[in-house]
Amino acid sequence: EAGVAQSPRYKIIEKRQSVAFWCNPISGHATLYWYQQILGQGPKLLIQFQNNGVVDDSQLPKDRFSAERLKGVDSTLKIQPAKLEDSAVYLCASSPRSEPYEQYFGPGTRLTVT
Amino acid sequence: AQKVTQAQTEISVVEKEDVTLDCVYETRDTTYYLFWYKQPPSGELVFLIRRNSFDEQNEISGRYSWNFQKSTSSFNFTITASQVVDSAVYFCALSGAETSGSRLTFGEGTQLTVNP
Repeated sequence: EAGVAQSPRYKIIEKRQSVAFWCNPISGHATLYWYQQILGQGPKLLIQFQNNGVVDDSQLPKDRFSAERLKGVDSTLKIQPAKLEDSAVYLCASSPRSEPYEQYFGPGTRLTVT
Repeated sequence: AQKVTQAQTEISVVEKEDVTLDCVYETRDTTYYLFWYKQPPSGELVFLIRRNSFDEQNEISGRYSWNFQKSTSSFNFTITASQVVDSAVYFCALSGAETSGSRLTFGEGTQLTVNP
């Protein structure tokens, strides 16, 4: 069974530029999560989707971050415009259920904003 | 609010030593779930265990064991006879079924280094 796929693996941009990350969850997993992991910290949830609907986006900085999950499969996370403090690893995870269940994580995208 | 505290930022041991990683949590939920994840240098978080708040039985899986104590709000993780491949960052996480659904609140992580 293929795992969670993410691309790109690395991205370097200048502040005020925009960037997008892509995630393909494990086949059949209805729940998809985006986390931000700043160096030396634990991951922090940005947004959770159940199929193509948003379940929890309470910690998403909506003035600059947006995410969508069209057709309930792939998802994209966008930052526009980027700030220096957005430098982090962005992790995508999926789960077969919406209740507290183990989440399967992708390799992440390391973003550096200069 | 939910909180997970991993007081040990870094631990260094010599191969074959036993090591315990501490995790203390705070939640007002009566139903909640606790997790441990491993993050090796490659960066991908690997699920290790999930335990619900009604099951205080300790669990053993090979060289790994977990001690869940509701009385002290702790969910500690012990690696017996550590190996170099155990070197990674280990995260404890909490999900409160009543207040946060399946959102995981992670601790800051413990960097474990096992030296040969």
